[in-house]
Parts: sequence; structure tokens; C-alpha cells
Amino acid sequence: DTGVSQDPRHKITKRGQNVTFRCDPISEHNRLYWYRQTLGQGPEFLTYFQNEAQLEKSRLLSDRFSAERPKGSFSTLEIQRTEQGDSAMYLCASPAGAFGTEAFFGQGTRLTVV
Amino acid sequence: GENVEQHPSTLSVQEGDSAVIKCTYSDSASNYFPWYKQELGKRPQLIIDIRSNVGEKKDQRIAVTLNKTAKHFSLHITETQPEDSAVYFCAASRSNFGNEKLTFGTGTRLTIIP
Repeated sequence: DTGVSQDPRHKITKRGQNVTFRCDPISEHNRLYWYRQTLGQGPEFLTYFQNEAQLEKSRLLSDRFSAERPKGSFSTLEIQRTEQGDSAMYLCASPAGAFGTEAFFGQGTRLTVV
Repeated sequence: GENVEQHPSTLSVQEGDSAVIKCTYSDSASNYFPWYKQELGKRPQLIIDIRSNVGEKKDQRIAVTLNKTAKHFSLHITETQPEDSAVYFCAASRSNFGNEKLTFGTGTRLTIIP
């Protein structure tokens, strides 16, 4: 697998519900990044993992957000008690290329909170 | 933290003309500057990048210049084609290898007029 796979591609949820997204990164790289992109804006960094360790979290990641990467493979991002302001595209990225110099993004999960 | 500003927010050029997008950054420790192209509903894709040890890089019709003193870098697209229409994002990070978190600009919507 040469790409980053994200599931689901789209999610519509009612305010107050919990949602979970999954990212399957490029397998040979040990780093994995989560970004959030709202309409008309550039991606914003949320958090990243090296293997199973979560090394940095943005202040954008409130206590309603949690991310995990068990066994250093796939990662999940959970949002509890969703709010309308959580509506965005959630992007996962792996280092890629010959020397891991490129941040390769998945297709993203578009979340709509109604 | 890093702050990246990008201008203009929208740009329309005649097919065949050149397009220039400019970014400034605030963190003098930033040393890696990629540019991403994002078509509607798709993932951001790396089109070119530059590291702080060079001032200019070119790949066919695309070139990027970097002025570290001024903390300024630019994307140049020559002989524009309709398929160049997209949103372009600049970004900056502290890594030489692009596998650190990226801080993105707010994007430029480029429209090529046939």
C-alpha cells in the first residue's frame, strides 16, 4: 500500500454525539500526523505520533478530542460530544518519498455536525 | 509559534501567463518550505518544496524562491494551463526532512482563464 487511507470519507452526526475516524498510514514510516481543515483555510496541525507515542498536541485539541495509535500502526481520532464548530475535514498524513521528505495526505474525513 | 501569511487569497490569470503567490513566515528556525495544490474535494498534494540551504528550485513550469533574510518565499507558475486551477497552500516547518508538523498559509485560489 503506497498511500494513506482514511475511513470514513464522510460523516454526518448530530450535535452531542461521539464520532471516531481511522487512518491507515504508509506502513514503513513511524510518524503519523493529524490535521484539521475548515472551509477556505489551510490545514491546521492537531497532533502527531511516533510509533505509538503521541509526541505533541495542538491547543486546538480540546479535552473532547483524543487520538490513539495502538501498536504504532493505524490511528484513531475520536471527538466526544460533537459541536457544530467541529465540522471540518480531518486529514491524516505520513512522511513519504525516498527519504520521508514529503508529507503525504490521505483523502480526509469530512465531518458535518448538524 | 510559527505564523505563515499568504497572498493573494485569489488570483486570476490568462492561460499562458505567469502566476506568482507569496508567503512570509515568522519563525527564523523554519528550514523547510513546501507548496501544496488542492483541487476541490481532494487531498493536498505536494508540488514542490525548498530547503533553507538553497535560494531557488525549479521543476518544469513551477519554481520556488526563498529569501531567508526577509523570511519570504514565493511560488512561480509559468505558461499557466487550465489544469493549474486549484487552491495553493504554502507551509513551513522546522525540519529539514518534512516530517515535522507543518504550519500552513491560508491558501490562494488560482483560476486560469482560457
